Amino acid sequence: AQSVTQLDSHVSVSEGTPVLLRCNYSSSYSPSLFWYVQHPNKGLQLLLKYTSAATLVKGINGFEAEFKKSETSFHLTKPSAHMSDAAEYFCVVREGSQGNLIFGKGTKLSVKP
Amino acid sequence: EADIYQTPRYLVIGTGKKITLECSQTMGHDKMYWYQQDPGMELHLIHYSYGVNSTEKGDLSSESTVSRIRTEHFPLTLESARPSHTSQYLCASSEFWGGTYNEQFFGPGTRLTVL
Repeated sequence: AQSVTQLDSHVSVSEGTPVLLRCNYSSSYSPSLFWYVQHPNKGLQLLLKYTSAATLVKGINGFEAEFKKSETSFHLTKPSAHMSDAAEYFCVVREGSQGNLIFGKGTKLSVKP
Repeated sequence: EADIYQTPRYLVIGTGKKITLECSQTMGHDKMYWYQQDPGMELHLIHYSYGVNSTEKGDLSSESTVSRIRTEHFPLTLESARPSHTSQYLCASSEFWGGTYNEQFFGPGTRLTVL
């Protein structure tokens, strides 16, 4: 069975410092992996996706993630946090090309001025 | 631009009432989904549809029902609302292209409170 574990429920950084949101996955097959962001009272927006192409994936707003099969990880990073990055971030796995999505519990990112 | 709409955005209703949450998308996507999300928690899939006249139950058991009479419309109905139904409900859609369902686009959600 596939699953996703987000290792931190809450991450707090200062503006201008790097962001690291950690995600480990479990999947029997070659997974597709996603990161979504949810701002307060808004729907989810796709940040980036991995679908068995390049292991380093670049997304919107300066975010990127690296797929590491040996570590079953898909951590999200950004070199320099901005106040507007404060939101809830979800790591998501999909098994195969037609499976439904399985969401992690989310990581709340706070950005201090 | 991808557009997926949900109405109402907020709903406060008494126990026993019948409610319908609306979801529409203008992208012509085949597959549509309903998720339930409690505050600070992950999303759980409650219903999905591959296309017109197709409805499937998701991973989380739900007393709600759905219908898909038109491609663009995927309403969710609760026949008799209860306080345990209080939650946020998110609708999403995705396109089948190149042998796979591409990323899901989400609506803004409906926050339901049952008193």
